[in-house]
Amino acid sequence: EAGVAQSPRYKIIEKRQSVAFWCNPISGHATLYWYQQILGQGPKLLIQFQNNGVVDDSQLPKDRFSAERLKGVDSTLKIQPAKLEDSAVYLCASSWTENTEAFFGQGTRLTVV
Amino acid sequence: KQEVTQIPAALSVPEGENLVLNCSFTDSAIYNLQWFRQDPGKGLTSLLLIQSSQREQTSGRLNASLDKSSGRSTLYIAASQPGDSATYLCAVRKGDYKLSFGAGTTVTVRA
Repeated sequence: EAGVAQSPRYKIIEKRQSVAFWCNPISGHATLYWYQQILGQGPKLLIQFQNNGVVDDSQLPKDRFSAERLKGVDSTLKIQPAKLEDSAVYLCASSWTENTEAFFGQGTRLTVV
Repeated sequence: KQEVTQIPAALSVPEGENLVLNCSFTDSAIYNLQWFRQDPGKGLTSLLLIQSSQREQTSGRLNASLDKSSGRSTLYIAASQPGDSATYLCAVRKGDYKLSFGAGTTVTVRA
């Protein structure tokens, strides 16, 4: 069974530029999560989808971050414009339903200079 | 708000010693708890999932216990090996289904 796929693995951008991350969850998984992990900290939930609807985006900085999950499968997370403090690893995860085991992708390491 | 704490932040043990990793959470009304492993520069690998109705869960050398009333979970790794060196994170899921993470415990197993 294929795992959660994310791309790119690494991205370096200048502040005020925009960037997008892509996630393909495990086939059949209805729930998709985006987390931000700053070095030395645990992952922080940015947004959670159930199929193509948003369940929780309370910690998503909506003035600069946006996410969508078209057709309830793939998802993209965008940052525009980026700030230095956005430097982190962005992790995508999926699960069969909202209360079952979550599986994570390899993450995208973003560096904003 | 659910707070998840993992102490200590780092741990170093000689090969062969048993590892004991702690996780505490403030709100005992959880749905389930999941333990993960994270290698440097990698994503998270799921190790064990314990439902709130369970007291423990086992997989190979790994055993996780859950005491919901006291807000604690412990991950035991028997006969540690250098390949067990990684950061171990616990995550708690409440009734709203949000998964909240601790900061992790970084383990080094010395050969």
